[in-house]
Amino acid sequence: EVQVVESGGGLVQPGGSLRLSCAASGYLFSSYEMNWVRQAPGRGLEWISYINHDGYTMHYADSVRGRFTISRDNAKNSLSLQMNSLRAEDTAVYYCVRENWRGSNYFDYWGQGTLVTVSS
Amino acid sequence: DIQVTQSPSIVSASVGDRVTITCRASQGIRSHLAWYQQRPGKAPKLLIYAASTLQSGVPSRFSGSGSETEFTLTISSLQPEDSATYYCQQLNSYPRTFGQGTKLEI
Repeated sequence: EVQVVESGGGLVQPGGSLRLSCAASGYLFSSYEMNWVRQAPGRGLEWISYINHDGYTMHYADSVRGRFTISRDNAKNSLSLQMNSLRAEDTAVYYCVRENWRGSNYFDYWGQGTLVTVSS
Repeated sequence: DIQVTQSPSIVSASVGDRVTITCRASQGIRSHLAWYQQRPGKAPKLLIYAASTLQSGVPSRFSGSGSETEFTLTISSLQPEDSATYYCQQLNSYPRTFGQGTKLEI
């Protein structure tokens, strides 16, 4: 069974840092692209970052570029998101998401999410 | 960046009704569009990809159509468990933008 499980969320002060992790299981992790998607309380979904299967290509939303860094360790079946210079508007549930492709790309497996709260 | 606009923002319907949600892209995205369902407090769930391909395990009352800039999600016979927020997402280019969501009330 495919599973992606996030961890690392919590309360952090503005300007602080936090590192999210995602543990993947049930599939060949190194063959799939991965993403982070977030959802602020009561708001819609916002895609924030992508990494390709071998970790050499990344994309970021303008809202996080230069502050967040996505990475992966295929030997450990894990995905990470290093978040620096956090702002109140980064408060959200962060989802780790697998990307698949069959004629077109799509996000087929989502974790349960981890809550990040940026507040003093 | 490609903007994705959903309508309506909220729709109210009854069990057995047919409901259609529209998603418009600011530029052509071929068929690179997916639809997701999100129930309160839960992670989104993939319903449809490539504009019209039903994800495995999703009931056949869900269907998608469209290409380039205009897409629709149709639920043919509403069930109580379809009460949720629905999102479209373009995957033609980065950033992978989502629509703002459509809340379906039953």
